[in-house]
Amino acid sequence: EVQLLESGGGLVQPGGSLRLSCAASGFTFSDYAMSWVRQAPGKGLEWVSAISGSGGGTYYADSVKGRFTISRENSKNTLYLQMNSLTAEDTAVYYCAKVGSSWYTDCFDPWGQGTLVTVSS
Amino acid sequence: DIQMTQSPSSLSASVGDRVTITCRASQDITNYAAWYQQRAGRVPKLLIYAASTLQTGVPSRFSGSGSGTDFTLTISSLQPEDVATYYCQKYNSAPLTFGGGTKVEIK
Repeated sequence: EVQLLESGGGLVQPGGSLRLSCAASGFTFSDYAMSWVRQAPGKGLEWVSAISGSGGGTYYADSVKGRFTISRENSKNTLYLQMNSLTAEDTAVYYCAKVGSSWYTDCFDPWGQGTLVTVSS
Repeated sequence: DIQMTQSPSSLSASVGDRVTITCRASQDITNYAAWYQQRAGRVPKLLIYAASTLQTGVPSRFSGSGSGTDFTLTISSLQPEDVATYYCQKYNSAPLTFGGGTKVEIK
């Protein structure tokens, strides 16, 4: 069974940094691209970033480009999202999701349970 | 960037009704469209991919259609457990944009 477990969320001050992790199991991690999606309280889904299975291709939403960095450690079956220069607009539940192929152009299934990031002073 | 416009934003229907949700892409995305269901307080779940392929385990009352710019999610006979918000998504190229969502309620 595929399992994705996010961690690293919490309360951070504006301008601060946070690193999210997503531990994967139940599949050959390096064979699949991975993605981060966020959902602000009471709002819809917003795609944040994706990374190819090898880690050689990375993609970002304009809203986070230059501030967030996606990476993966295939030897540890773990996906990361380094978030810098955080603002209140980054407050959301962050989900990691398995992409349907090694390239990022595929749908997301399954999704992790999410980790809440709150940016506030 | 390609936008995904969903309609309606919400709807209320009776149990057993046929429900249709539409999603329009601002440019041709061929069949790179997916539909997700998110029940209140739950994680999004993939229903349909490649515009019309039903994900394994999803009830057959759900169906998807369309190609190019216009896509449709249909629930043939609405059930109480279908109360949720539904999202379309394009995944042909970055950004992998979601539609704004359609909240489905029981009348």
